[in-house]
Amino acid sequence: AQSVTQLDSQVPVFEEAPVELRCNYSSSVSVYLFWYVQYPNQGLQLLLKYLSGSTLVKSINGFEAEFNKSQTSFHLRKPSVHISDTAEYFCAVTVSYSGGYQKVTFGTGTKLQVIP
Amino acid sequence: GAVVSQHPSRVICKSGTSVKIECRSLDFQATTMFWYRQFPKQSLMLMATSNEGSKATYEQGVEKDKFLINHASLTLSTLTVTSAHPEDSSFYICSARAVAGAASSNEQFFGPGTRLTVL
Repeated sequence: AQSVTQLDSQVPVFEEAPVELRCNYSSSVSVYLFWYVQYPNQGLQLLLKYLSGSTLVKSINGFEAEFNKSQTSFHLRKPSVHISDTAEYFCAVTVSYSGGYQKVTFGTGTKLQVIP
Repeated sequence: GAVVSQHPSRVICKSGTSVKIECRSLDFQATTMFWYRQFPKQSLMLMATSNEGSKATYEQGVEKDKFLINHASLTLSTLTVTSAHPEDSSFYICSARAVAGAASSNEQFFGPGTRLTVL
C-alpha cells in the first residue's frame, strides 16, 4: 500500500518570500504524483502533476515541484508567494493496478498562510 | 479541460432523511468515479470506487447500505446517504477518471464538493 506524508500541517510565510511545502511518499510500485490546492469551502483544484518525462513540473501561477525518485519526494516550491496563495495544499499519489483499478492516496494537507 | 460537476453544492436535511448527491463528468466519459469524504481540517478519505454498470467497491469501514452508490452511465454517478444522521455531516467530493486508453486516464478530475449538514 502507498502512503503520503506532509510533515508540515501549517506554513506561515511573508508575502513575496519563497516557500517549500514538503511531500514524501512510499510505494512499492510506480506512482503518479499530484499537488492539489483547496480554497475554503471549495473542492480540489489540480495545481500540477508528474506522470512521466521531466522530473521538474511547473504550474501556470509560479509553483513548481520536482519528482525525486531516490528520496521519494515531490516537494512544492514557489520563489515568491502572494496573498492569494493562501490555501490548503494536498499532495497525492496515484497507483494504477492491473485490471484498471486505480487508487489515490492523499497527504494530510499543508495550510499555507501568506502574511502581508 | 475535463470538468466534473456536483449537485447540490450544499444541502441541509433533517436527521433520518436520505440525501442524493450527483456527480457528472461534463466533457468526457468516465469509466470510474470515486467518492471521497473530508472532515473539517482533515484530508480526503476514499469511500468507494464506482465503475459504470457494476457494483461499487467500498473501502474498509464504509457502510455500503448507508452510502448507496449508483453509476448508471459513463457521465453520472450518484451517492445517496440513507437515513442521514448528524455524524454524516461532512464535505463529500467526487472525482472521475477518463476511460482507459485516454490520454488523461492516469489522473482523476475532481468535482467542487457537496457540503452536507444533517440537523
